[in-house]
Amino acid sequence: QVQLVESGGGVVQPGRSLRLSCAASGFTFSDYGMHWVRQAPGKGLEWVAVISFDGSNKYYADSVKGRFTISRDNSKNTLYLQMNRLRPEDTAVYYCATEVVVVGATPFDYWGQGTLVTVSS
Amino acid sequence: SYELTQPPSVSVSPGQTARITCSGDALPKKYAYWYQQKSGQAPVLVIYEDNKRPSGIPERFSGSSSGTMATLTISGAQVEDEADYYCYSTDTIDNHRRLFGGGTKLTVL
Repeated sequence: QVQLVESGGGVVQPGRSLRLSCAASGFTFSDYGMHWVRQAPGKGLEWVAVISFDGSNKYYADSVKGRFTISRDNSKNTLYLQMNRLRPEDTAVYYCATEVVVVGATPFDYWGQGTLVTVSS
Repeated sequence: SYELTQPPSVSVSPGQTARITCSGDALPKKYAYWYQQKSGQAPVLVIYEDNKRPSGIPERFSGSSSGTMATLTISGAQVEDEADYYCYSTDTIDNHRRLFGGGTKLTVL
């Protein structure tokens, strides 16, 4: 079965860095674009970044552009989010998710359970 | 910047029809998707490409889109449908970026 497992969250001071990972299994990881989505405590979902299936194209929300970098290692079936110059407003649960791809009449759409990042001094 | 606008809350009694709207200037050209999120859980896709329902999602969930508004309809809402609902679509300025609406808290009681 498809599984996405995030890791790397924790408490970090403002201005520091953190790298999140998302380990994928149960599907051909290299066939799918992947997203990071975050959710601040008590708030709504916010799209963060997307990377194409082969890693050649990457796009970011304005709120993280220039500070965060999305990447992937298809040989390890793993997605990453490098977060630099962290701010208190980056505090959130970070989810990795597959691109929504419709295969026949079935959408392929899977999310991890999320990892909490807390930016605080 | 482009936004998707949802009402913060909708409340219905069990068995009534709940309608949650999502307004966005690009919706005539871009698909809307709807996610359900229950407390402490990851989002679940309930409607894709405006009006298609994934297998396993109850038939009472339906979607429509007309002009700049997409609508999620839950016909005969059940207590277990109480959740936050988010619309999701593509940014008009950059076709590769995505965005979510602000979310709607559906209360069924």
